[in-house]
Amino acid sequence: EVQLVESGGGLVQPGRSLRLSCAASGFTFDDYAMHWVRQAPGKGLEWVSGISWNSGSIGYADSVKGRFTISRDNAKNSLYLQMNSLRAEDTALYYCAKDMVATILGAGRGMDVWGQGTTVSVSS
Amino acid sequence: DIQLTQSPSFLSASVGDRVTITCRASQGISSYLAWYQQKPGKAPKLLIYAASTLQSGVPSRFSGSGSGTEFTLTISSLQPEDFATYYCQQLNSYPTFGQGTKVEIK
Repeated sequence: EVQLVESGGGLVQPGRSLRLSCAASGFTFDDYAMHWVRQAPGKGLEWVSGISWNSGSIGYADSVKGRFTISRDNAKNSLYLQMNSLRAEDTALYYCAKDMVATILGAGRGMDVWGQGTTVSVSS
Repeated sequence: DIQLTQSPSFLSASVGDRVTITCRASQGISSYLAWYQQKPGKAPKLLIYAASTLQSGVPSRFSGSGSGTEFTLTISSLQPEDFATYYCQQLNSYPTFGQGTKVEIK
């Protein structure tokens, strides 16, 4: 069964850090690009960051650039998101999503597998 | 960044209705557009990619069309399980999503 399972969310104070993980199974992980997408309470979907199959291409939304770092370990079939200098506006459900292609910039098809998400709450 | 604007933002319809949602891009994106369905408390589900290609397992009452800057998602005969929020997403550059269209029961 193709599956993505996120972990690492929680309640954190503004300015602190958190690291999210996503464990993939049921498909050849290093054939595909991967993404983090978030959804603030009652709001729409926001792409956060993406990474190509070999980590050679990485992108970030302007809202997180310079604060968040995406990475992957193909040997462990895992995706990560290091979140630093967290702000209240980063409060959201964070989804890990599999791309249908290997690259992240241009000529994309979409995200065909999603995890159930992990909740990040930033509050003092 | 490429902006996507969906219309309408809310739609009230009855079972059996034909429903059309429009997504407009701020610049041309060829056919690099996907549509997703999201139900409350659930992760998004890919319905259509490359503007008009139906994802495996998605019912044929869903269809997509368009290219360039204007795209549509059509549900030919709305079913009870189709009441949800729908998002378009462009993949011509780093991905962005439309603001969503909530389809509610009339």
